[in-house]
Amino acid sequence: DAKTTQPNSMESNEEEPVHLPCNHSTISGTDYIHWYRQLPSQGPEYVIHGLTSNVNNRMASLAIAEDRKSSTLILHRATLRDAAVYYCIPPTQGGSEKLVFGKGTKLTVNP
Amino acid sequence: DAGVIQSPRHEVTEMGQEVTLRCKPISGHNSLFWYRQTMMRGLELLIYFNNNVPIDDSGMPEDRFSAKMPNASFSTLKIQPSEPRDSAVYFCASSRTGGPGTQYFGPGTRLTVL
Repeated sequence: DAKTTQPNSMESNEEEPVHLPCNHSTISGTDYIHWYRQLPSQGPEYVIHGLTSNVNNRMASLAIAEDRKSSTLILHRATLRDAAVYYCIPPTQGGSEKLVFGKGTKLTVNP
Repeated sequence: DAGVIQSPRHEVTEMGQEVTLRCKPISGHNSLFWYRQTMMRGLELLIYFNNNVPIDDSGMPEDRFSAKMPNASFSTLKIQPSEPRDSAVYFCASSRTGGPGTQYFGPGTRLTVL
């Protein structure tokens, strides 16, 4: 399975943009790259997914490098409710459905 | 549409007792996943089912753990006998095969084994 590298923690101020990087240089699958987040005392929550190009939804944007070896989750205007651990999950080799969670990035949003 | 439903939300039991955790996936989803989360090991997949059939149980820690999916709308994870090191939050998730593989998680069951 692809190894991911994310910063352990990041800080942002409220209403400012946040760029959360992820390196998955050993990616081998051709399926989707997913991002999830986990708010305190809750289960993981789907944020966004993408294949090869930039993607947008109501929660965030996802920028995927052309070689798919890295991606960046973009929160355009961070709110206090965005404080969570963010996980980037590349596809699993062999097309398995399972998700392999790393340690993620803990995002702190300051008022 | 209701999300993934798990019960109980909290379980406190004594070492040696049997524990059964329950999960109802989202209607129409045909893949179901059981995860365990601890501070030490993070979030790890225990087992997953597709169309009620176990596909990958390589994450099941030992024979004390067993999981079943008797039908498309119900799954159980059983620990017998339970041990203090099984204390964790157990999450169930479901997804629809053939799509991007997005999984939707339940609220979790917090298990404490004394």
